[in-house]
Amino acid sequence: QLQLQESGPRLVKPSEILSLTCTVSGDSITSSSYYWGWIRQPPGKGLEWIGSFYYSGNTYYNPSLKSRVSISVDTSKNQFSLKLTSVTAADAAVYYCARYVVEAQGFDPWGQGTLVTVSS
Amino acid sequence: DIQMTQSPSSLSAFVGDRVTITCRASQNIGRYLNWYQQKPGKAPKLLIYTASSLQSGVPSRFSGSGSGTDFTLTISSLQPADFATYYCQQSYSTPFTFGPGTKVDIK
Repeated sequence: QLQLQESGPRLVKPSEILSLTCTVSGDSITSSSYYWGWIRQPPGKGLEWIGSFYYSGNTYYNPSLKSRVSISVDTSKNQFSLKLTSVTAADAAVYYCARYVVEAQGFDPWGQGTLVTVSS
Repeated sequence: DIQMTQSPSSLSAFVGDRVTITCRASQNIGRYLNWYQQKPGKAPKLLIYTASSLQSGVPSRFSGSGSGTDFTLTISSLQPADFATYYCQQSYSTPFTFGPGTKVDIK
C-alpha cells in the first residue's frame, strides 16, 4: 500500500530555510506513471500547489514561490525534499507531499501533512 | 494563472439530500478538472478526476460533470461521512490551482 510521510522541523525562524522530506513507501518515485509534488495549506485556508517533479529531471514550480523554492530527489532512499528560503509568517502552513497520477491528472494519495510554524 | 472559483462557499444539508457544488475556471480547461474531499485535520482525498471519472473506491453517489469553464460535483444522497470541505483543482496547466473550497455541513 502506497504511503507518503512528511518529516522535518515543525518550527522555523523568519528569514531561515524551511526543509521538509517526503518518504515514499509502497511505490518507487522513479515510476514512469507518476510525478510527485508538494502542496501547502495555511491554517483555515485553501490549498496552494508549490511544485512537482518527474524523476528524470523535469521540475515545475509555482511562479509565486519560484525564486525561493527547490525540490530535490534521492532515489536511493525513495525520498524527495522541499526547501523554501527566506520564510515569513505567510509560509506557515500544513505542508503535504502527494503523488501526481499522470493518467488521472490528479494528486492521489497525499501524505498526512505536517504543520510548519514560522516564529522567532 | 488560471483562477478557480466555487459556489456556494458553504451549504447546510440534511442526510439524504442531493447536493450540487459548482466550480468555474477563468479560462477553458477542457476536462482537466479534479474534485477533492477534505475532512478536518486530514489530507485531501481525490474523488473525481478529469471532470467525471470516479476514483477507485469512491462511492457512486459522487459524480462530476462539465467541460470548458463550468463544472459540477453532485452528491446524489448525502451521507454522514460526506460532511467535509470540497475543492476543485485544474490540471490543465501549471501552476496548478485550487478553488477556495465548499464546506458542507449538517442542517
